[in-house]
Amino acid sequence: SQQGEEDPQALSIQEGENATMNCSYKTSINNLQWYRQNSGRGLVHLILIRSNEREKHSGRLRVTLDTSKKSSSLLITASRAADTASYFCATDPQGAQKLVFGQGTRLTINP
Amino acid sequence: DTEVTQTPKHLVMGMTNKKSLKCEQHMGHRAMYWYKQKAKKPPELMFVYSYEKLSINESVPSRFSPECPNSSLLNLHLHALQPEDSALYLCASSQGGGDQPQHFGDGTRLSIL
Repeated sequence: SQQGEEDPQALSIQEGENATMNCSYKTSINNLQWYRQNSGRGLVHLILIRSNEREKHSGRLRVTLDTSKKSSSLLITASRAADTASYFCATDPQGAQKLVFGQGTRLTINP
Repeated sequence: DTEVTQTPKHLVMGMTNKKSLKCEQHMGHRAMYWYKQKAKKPPELMFVYSYEKLSINESVPSRFSPECPNSSLLNLHLHALQPEDSALYLCASSQGGGDQPQHFGDGTRLSIL
């Protein structure tokens, strides 16, 4: 069963705008990861945030984690057409030794 | 280019055929994974190998049989599949544990006739 729920399920914005995706999960975690998947390709790891961290940055990506609300957000600033993809959060439920993926957000950047 | 290589990229097979999917990584990773992904859905974990030993089987039907011949190779043997098994099959590798990023191949698109 999937632990993560993401919203929105789909998001369409203009190039240059910021995109925010949210992820909620159910059980305690050690860390949360975000992945990107372009159409017809495998997943690419973007960023990992540990349960004792609240915010992390990587280039145009900003991830927040609120363990009290069991939620995370991914912000992509100054979006580009190449950011068009599906984005998945993934958690490692404590003791599970595996990743459980959220339902994903399909992001479309319009030129 | 991905660091995890999967072959073939596409596979069409009948329900009585036997075929194998192959995955290779040369990053020295000790954990390897098979996932199944249906259209517009997240990847679903099937199997995990750690140090070449099967450590997790997510109650996958026996018509899917994984094999890890060595630390760089992972196979998925297919036999008597059903039409609902049509999906993208993804292989991934990592240093192991849930706190490590996973590196994915581009998958094998499988169609069962």
